[in-house]
Amino acid sequence: GNSVTQMEGPVTLSEEAFLTINCTYTATGYPSLFWYVQYPGEGLQLLLKATKADDKGSNKGFEATYRKETTSFHLEKGSVQVSDSAVYFCALRLRTGGGNKLTFGTGTQLKVEL
Amino acid sequence: DTAVSQTPKYLVTQMGNDKSIKCEQNLGHDTMYWYKQDSKKFLKIMFSYNNKELIINETVPNRFSPKSPDKAHLNLHINSLELGDSAVYFCASSQPGSTEAFFGQGTRLTVV
Repeated sequence: GNSVTQMEGPVTLSEEAFLTINCTYTATGYPSLFWYVQYPGEGLQLLLKATKADDKGSNKGFEATYRKETTSFHLEKGSVQVSDSAVYFCALRLRTGGGNKLTFGTGTQLKVEL
Repeated sequence: DTAVSQTPKYLVTQMGNDKSIKCEQNLGHDTMYWYKQDSKKFLKIMFSYNNKELIINETVPNRFSPKSPDKAHLNLHINSLELGDSAVYFCASSQPGSTEAFFGQGTRLTVV
């Protein structure tokens, strides 16, 4: 079946530190890959996406590269801010079949401190 | 102007009651979903409807019954609520063939 594995949190960083949140996936087809973010008390927002191998998604200083050879989509940011504190979800969606549903990882909580 | 809106945002109710959560999207999408987020933040699909037709039902107890009166609405009715139903329920929508899903703000259901 399809699955997404994320590193467990919480991850606690100081402001301006470098962030990596690891994500690997297992899929029977050719998935599109996503990072969603959930700020405290809010719903999910799409942070970035990549639809094919070697694509790089980027938004708000965050980046992730679709690596088919390692089935990974690690999230990175060069310098985090307190406002980046949130839960980050890696997800996949098959481009054909699967009913268009998203399969999520377990989420990684990020806490950024001054 | 909210794209995907859910009501209520918070719902506290007693075991055994029946309750409904409503969802509406104004994006013109054909596909709508319900996801459940448990206390550990794990998100799992429950249902998916495409143009009012059920296309995904992920082994959810039949106490949960989604209803789609039109493609802009997907409501979730829950009978005989149990303590384990306490969670945050998210509605989402997308367009077939599009990679992006838009989520509502969530409904925090607490069963006491």
